[in-house]
Amino acid sequence: DSGVTQTPKHLITATGQRVTLRCSPRSGDLSVYWYQQSLDQGLQFLIQYYNGEERAKGNILERFSAQQFPDLHSELNLSSLELGDSALYFCASSVGGGNYEQYFGPGTRLTVT
Amino acid sequence: GENVEQHPSTLSVQEGDSAVIKCTYSDSASNYFPWYKQELGKRPQLIIDIRSNVGEKKDQRIAVTLNKTAKHFSLHITETQPEDSAVYFCAASKGAGTYKYIFGTGTRLKVLA
Repeated sequence: DSGVTQTPKHLITATGQRVTLRCSPRSGDLSVYWYQQSLDQGLQFLIQYYNGEERAKGNILERFSAQQFPDLHSELNLSSLELGDSALYFCASSVGGGNYEQYFGPGTRLTVT
Repeated sequence: GENVEQHPSTLSVQEGDSAVIKCTYSDSASNYFPWYKQELGKRPQLIIDIRSNVGEKKDQRIAVTLNKTAKHFSLHITETQPEDSAVYFCAASKGAGTYKYIFGTGTRLKVLA
């Protein structure tokens, strides 16, 4: 157990819908990262937050958005869902403020039908 | 732009043999290189990492070597066991500002009993 929690574990929804994925970082970690992993694919970096502020953006679609709240948990919002958005979405956290290890949560498996 | 190439994409070895996975990074400012192991449907788990101020690091059957001049680093697994079968990802990070990782495309390692 990495100490990073993600909810829900599984999500099945229809095309065109909107969903919210939630992540709670390890205690004391200030940075949260979101990744997308499609079937048998690598880890695509989406976005990073550090202590409530957006710090880096990767290949994140305009239909996707995220935020980090004052209690440091983060939410990833996916809207106008398409079949191709079906994937595992991982959240990771790190201490931040330097180059530290990232610890991954168990992931949310999103299936768009 | 930033890029990490990882080879091979698949690797099969006999139990007890060694396995080597290689990664090459493009950004010479990169200074932190973690390796992750991901079993099917599970979260990536950090197995070993190395920073740019050292050339080699070892943890039991796992070792990582770094060649900053050539901008490549390698994962070495000795005395492989069936439970080593998984997908392995390398990553590079330069730490300045964002601390985001650039991941390699992954290597699927199969250890044959």
